[in-house]
Amino acid sequence: RKEVEQDPGPFNVPEGATVAFNCTYSNSASQSFFWYRQDCRKEPKLLMSVYSSGNEDGRFTAQLNRASQYISLLIRDSKLSDSATYLCVVNMDNYGQNFVFGPGTRLSVLP
Amino acid sequence: DADVTQTPRNRITKTGKRIMLECSQTKGHDRMYWYRQDPGLGLRLIYYSFDVKDINKGEISDGYSVSRQAQAKFSLSLESAIPNQTALYFCATSESTLETQYFGPGTRLLVL
Repeated sequence: RKEVEQDPGPFNVPEGATVAFNCTYSNSASQSFFWYRQDCRKEPKLLMSVYSSGNEDGRFTAQLNRASQYISLLIRDSKLSDSATYLCVVNMDNYGQNFVFGPGTRLSVLP
Repeated sequence: DADVTQTPRNRITKTGKRIMLECSQTKGHDRMYWYRQDPGLGLRLIYYSFDVKDINKGEISDGYSVSRQAQAKFSLSLESAIPNQTALYFCATSESTLETQYFGPGTRLLVL
């Protein structure tokens, strides 16, 4: 089993749609969780951190379920500019360096 | 000006050549990282450094070496480039191991 797995995608949705991505991780001791956005041929950029209580930033909502070891990202009212690849990132321990990146889920928002 | 810069942005080289990719940051972070990204795969960690005197191997360090010349500079070398090292290489920094990472713009490397 891969350490971090994501919905394979691609997701093609119309503008205004709501879309959700899921991510599962293998290490129950994982400490911190993030969603990054990566545009084609560009560097990943932090979209949001994911907290145990869940968090929201405008149209984006992230949820963490430690018991089931998954993270979700919900995008409401999709915009054309949301088209990108979304990377789930899990930091699997406190001590060393163990940021593990998922393979990403590609989203295309269509007019 | 960008907080994390990488040079060169694009490089074509031949099998067996030694090349160096450079990364500089102005964020004042102690932690720096080198990753490679291949199509369909997640970013994979090559090396990381928690400070100037601390260098650690990542998941795929074979065929690579690094140098941390200063807090702000972290270089990645391919001692003898091979075609399967063709990839997009990213440098990143972070303030701590739990905090988000900030990425440079990437170096696109093609080994012929």
